[in-house]
Amino acid sequence: GAVVSQHPSRVICKSGTSVKIECRSLDFQATTMFWYRQFPKQSLMLMATSNEGSKATYEQGVEKDKFLINHASLTLSTLTVTSAHPEDSSFYICSASTGTGGFSYEQYFGPGTRLTVT
Amino acid sequence: EDQVTQSPEALRLQEGESSSLNCSYTVSGLRGLFWYRQDPGKGPEFLFTLYSAGEEKEKERLKATLTKKESFLHITAPKPEDSATYLCAVQEYNNNDMRFGAGTRLTVKP
Repeated sequence: GAVVSQHPSRVICKSGTSVKIECRSLDFQATTMFWYRQFPKQSLMLMATSNEGSKATYEQGVEKDKFLINHASLTLSTLTVTSAHPEDSSFYICSASTGTGGFSYEQYFGPGTRLTVT
Repeated sequence: EDQVTQSPEALRLQEGESSSLNCSYTVSGLRGLFWYRQDPGKGPEFLFTLYSAGEEKEKERLKATLTKKESFLHITAPKPEDSATYLCAVQEYNNNDMRFGAGTRLTVKP
């Protein structure tokens, strides 16, 4: 149980183009999904939190117009990197949580998406 | 400001050599402390959640403990397949966010 998938696993795009990454919870309903960014040999940095049907909450320093997040259903969230630049190259990881109260606050992570902008 | 500090940054063990990883935290109100394992190029894999001081959880060769200031991940008789980065994260009350430590890169040599 608690399986989260991401697609694509790897993507290479040209500078100036946009890239969409999908995150799906396969066997549970995720009221909250999170998007993280991870640089080599560094820990996860939270980019934004999204709740189904509402606007995402972005961390300080994360450009909401550049990193568009949509959480259209309880099993799907998407991250679109708009007008990508080489400095956007990174490992992007999503996670999902039921967050329904009690002790259901674990986050279950997807396998990550390696984005390379040339 | 809330902080999560993991030590050591890297740890090299011989197969069978038991040791412990540390996660120190400062939060205003701890809802839960989480341990994850991350292999290179993959997303973190959930291991444990600890909610209150004195709590312990075990899974195979791993045992996690919690006090009011820190958590330990004890690894007993590790095997090469235990090599990975172990991440600690904390969550506050009234906040679904997790704050991660920098991780401990564990290498177990045969």
